Amino acid sequence: EIVLTQSPGTLSLSPGERATLSCRASQSVSSSYLAWYQQKPGQAPRLLIYGASSRATGIPDRVSGGGSGTDFTLTISRLEPEDSAVYYCQHYGYSPEYTFGGGTKVEIK
Amino acid sequence: EVQLVESGGGLVQPGGSLRLSCIASGFTFSNYWMNWVRQVPGKGLMWVSRINNDGSSTTYADSVKGRFTISRDNAKNTLYLQMNSLRAEDTAVYYCGRGGVNATIDYWGQGTLVSVSS
Repeated sequence: EIVLTQSPGTLSLSPGERATLSCRASQSVSSSYLAWYQQKPGQAPRLLIYGASSRATGIPDRVSGGGSGTDFTLTISRLEPEDSAVYYCQHYGYSPEYTFGGGTKVEIK
Repeated sequence: EVQLVESGGGLVQPGGSLRLSCIASGFTFSNYWMNWVRQVPGKGLMWVSRINNDGSSTTYADSVKGRFTISRDNAKNTLYLQMNSLRAEDTAVYYCGRGGVNATIDYWGQGTLVSVSS
């Protein structure tokens, strides 16, 4: 079973700064099946990135993903107040089919 | 516009049963895999179950295998989750989600809360 570990647990940054979120897999995974989601309080998750680096529909280009093997990152440049949320990475594989990381909370000062 | 609307949540005693529904609109339901994902309030996301587009293939998380059954009615654009032998640890918000590109979950419903307590 693949375990996804996200760090840091909480990131507190000011508007305009860059946020770099990490997702580390317990074993090498296919980047094709690595995704990132954003969840704001009281809302359902929203797909941001699929295939490790492709933006989903409507996601601005200041949001980007990268990485391969066991180490993946989500970068949000030029943070805005609306970026305050919890971000989850997710992998599709086998048993279980979908695995989520524990999440990183981004706070905007 | 893609919409997923869950219903059927509520308070149930341990050992009880509940059936969740998710009505889909804005896309051709029969073309897509569908999922259930749950979230304990204040905690992270946990995938529960997946069904393929015609209902012939289903998979489950180990923690619900043998107790939960996912199904769909493509004529009614509706996804179901039959939950039996419910436990306190099944308490969570349950989301339905559409299977998207590269095995993502690209659209999510607003969730329905299931509380298992005596």
